[in-house]
Amino acid sequence: DQQVKQNSPSLSVQEGRISILNCDYTNSMFDYFLWYKKYPAEGPTFLISISSIKDKNEDGRFTVFLNKSAKHLSLHIVPSQPGDSAVYFCAASHSGTYKYIFGTGTRLKVLA
Amino acid sequence: SQTIHQWPATLVQPVGSPLSLECTVEGTSNPNLYWYRQAAGRGLQLLFYSVGIGQISSEVPQNLSASRPQDRQFILSSKKLLLSDSGFYLCAWRSGGTVPSEQYFGPGTRLTVT
Repeated sequence: DQQVKQNSPSLSVQEGRISILNCDYTNSMFDYFLWYKKYPAEGPTFLISISSIKDKNEDGRFTVFLNKSAKHLSLHIVPSQPGDSAVYFCAASHSGTYKYIFGTGTRLKVLA
Repeated sequence: SQTIHQWPATLVQPVGSPLSLECTVEGTSNPNLYWYRQAAGRGLQLLFYSVGIGQISSEVPQNLSASRPQDRQFILSSKKLLLSDSGFYLCAWRSGGTVPSEQYFGPGTRLTVT
């Protein structure tokens, strides 16, 4: 049972435009969500997180939106840059656990 | 600031040989520590986590084991490697306790079992 799903394995976006990466979850106990960026042969880099008490969190070009009723979160990157080309993972956790559940990732390609 | 180290960066081992991967964290105390594996083209699979010295929780019962001999040291081991153990191994840490927070990853070890 995959509790965190990233249904789009890949996404291509033109430089300067908005990139929107999506993530769905099934466990209603999740109350903390994270996004990571990963380059090949490197560890994932933490980008941004959001607690379930919020519906939006912004950090520079990155904004995460959380829709609890739909059990859906998204990462917006504006404007997209070629250096943003990487695999993006969403992850979820909840209070009282030490574990994080990761999605399978979405490969973003930003075209110059 | 906190830093997480993993070594070796790459490793090629024959089937049946032992394994020892080491991870250390600097700049924090009492961290929660994690081992993940990413198989080719797949997501991150949690293998083990530890919330204190000598405490290990296993998520995947395989021929791998983990140990935490010191507060900021986490070791992944195997007595006899299988071909299916090939993958990219990642160590991670976060602040101690049960309140979720950011989790930070090391640079990873690429293991190829031949």
